[in-house]
Amino acid sequence: GDSVTQMEGPVTLSEEAFLTINCTYTATGYPSLFWYVQYPGEGLQLLLKATKADDKGSNKGFEATYRKETTSFHLEKGSVQVSDSAVYFCALGRGGSYIPTFGRGTSLIVHP
Amino acid sequence: DAGVIQSPRHEVTEMGQEVTLRCKPISGHDYLFWYRQTMMRGLELLIYFNNNVPIDDSGMPEDRFSAKMPNASFSTLKIQPSEPRDSAVYFCASSLEGGPTDTQYFGPGTRLTVL
Repeated sequence: GDSVTQMEGPVTLSEEAFLTINCTYTATGYPSLFWYVQYPGEGLQLLLKATKADDKGSNKGFEATYRKETTSFHLEKGSVQVSDSAVYFCALGRGGSYIPTFGRGTSLIVHP
Repeated sequence: DAGVIQSPRHEVTEMGQEVTLRCKPISGHDYLFWYRQTMMRGLELLIYFNNNVPIDDSGMPEDRFSAKMPNASFSTLKIQPSEPRDSAVYFCASSLEGGPTDTQYFGPGTRLTVL
């Protein structure tokens, strides 16, 4: 079945550091890929998405590129801020299924 | 739009009591999902509806859990009787079409504590 694997957290960084959160997936066909973010005490919200191979999703300084050859969708940001502290979820959506598959989430903690 | 609305935001109850969680999806969204989030198990899909009809409830943990969607603007998740292991954050989410490229819009969640 479909699955999404994220790197274990927490990821702890200093402000202005470079961020990478790894995400790999297993799915048949050509899934769409998503990153959701959950701030403390809130629900998940879409951060970015990509619907086909080589697409790059971007939002709020975050980027991720859909790499079909490595089945990956790693999240990156060049300079993190304290306000980026949250839990980040990688997810996929596949044709024929109305149920997205979520990863376990990766907690990011950014110190001033 | 106000987004997905959930109530209550926090619920504390005693074991054996009935608990009802409520959700109002975004107007015009055809799909509604109920999730449960715990540290141990992460985010789990419990059930989802399409046009008010339950489609897949295979994630509902036991018969103690039930969900309804009497109309397009309201859904409930009921636990009867509640147990301490039901303590979790319960999210409702809605999406426009439910397709593979569709975004899910989550509510703020209900934090349930069963003593």
